Amino acid sequence: GNSVTQMEGPVTLSEEAFLTINCTYTATGYPSLFWYVQYPGEGLQLLLKATKADDKGSNKGFEATYRKETTSFHLEKGSVQVSDSAVYFCALTPNAGKSTFGDGTTLTVKP
Amino acid sequence: DAGITQSPRHKVTETGTPVTLRCHQTENHRYMYWYRQDPGHGLRLIHYSYGVKDTDKGEVSDGYSVSRSKTEDFLLTLESATSSQTSVYFCAISGDRDGTEAFFGQGTRLTVV
Repeated sequence: GNSVTQMEGPVTLSEEAFLTINCTYTATGYPSLFWYVQYPGEGLQLLLKATKADDKGSNKGFEATYRKETTSFHLEKGSVQVSDSAVYFCALTPNAGKSTFGDGTTLTVKP
Repeated sequence: DAGITQSPRHKVTETGTPVTLRCHQTENHRYMYWYRQDPGHGLRLIHYSYGVKDTDKGEVSDGYSVSRSKTEDFLLTLESATSSQTSVYFCAISGDRDGTEAFFGQGTRLTVV
């Protein structure tokens, strides 16, 4: 079956540091890939997505590139802010199929 | 914002009582999901539905049942609540077009005492 593996957290960074959260996946075919963010007390919301190989999703300074050769979709941000503190989930959806989520990575950014 | 609402948002119940959580969508999406979220466990899929009256089990389905009698509603029932079912429950929906994302409800915090 499909699966998503995220780097284990929690991750603690200082403001303006560079962020990478690793995500690799196992799936047949060509799934769409997503990063979701969850702020305290809220549900998950879409951060960015990519629907085919070599696509780059971006939003709010975050980026991730769909790498089919390494089955990866790593999340990056050049300079994190305190307001980026949240839980980040990597996910995949196969063509017209059921979504699969990673376990989430908690990010804390300190001033 | 996607039209997805969960009810109730908070509930305290006693061990052994039945509990039903409701998820309602206005997006006409095919897939609906129930997850639970606990510290250290991420999101765990309980059950999902891929159409009216079409449901399947997730990884933590024991003690839970679901029903979907119409497209917009997906009910999660705890037949006899236990303290181990104290959790935050999230409903999600997704469409069947390639590349569509999932939309999540705000969550239901359930406490079984």
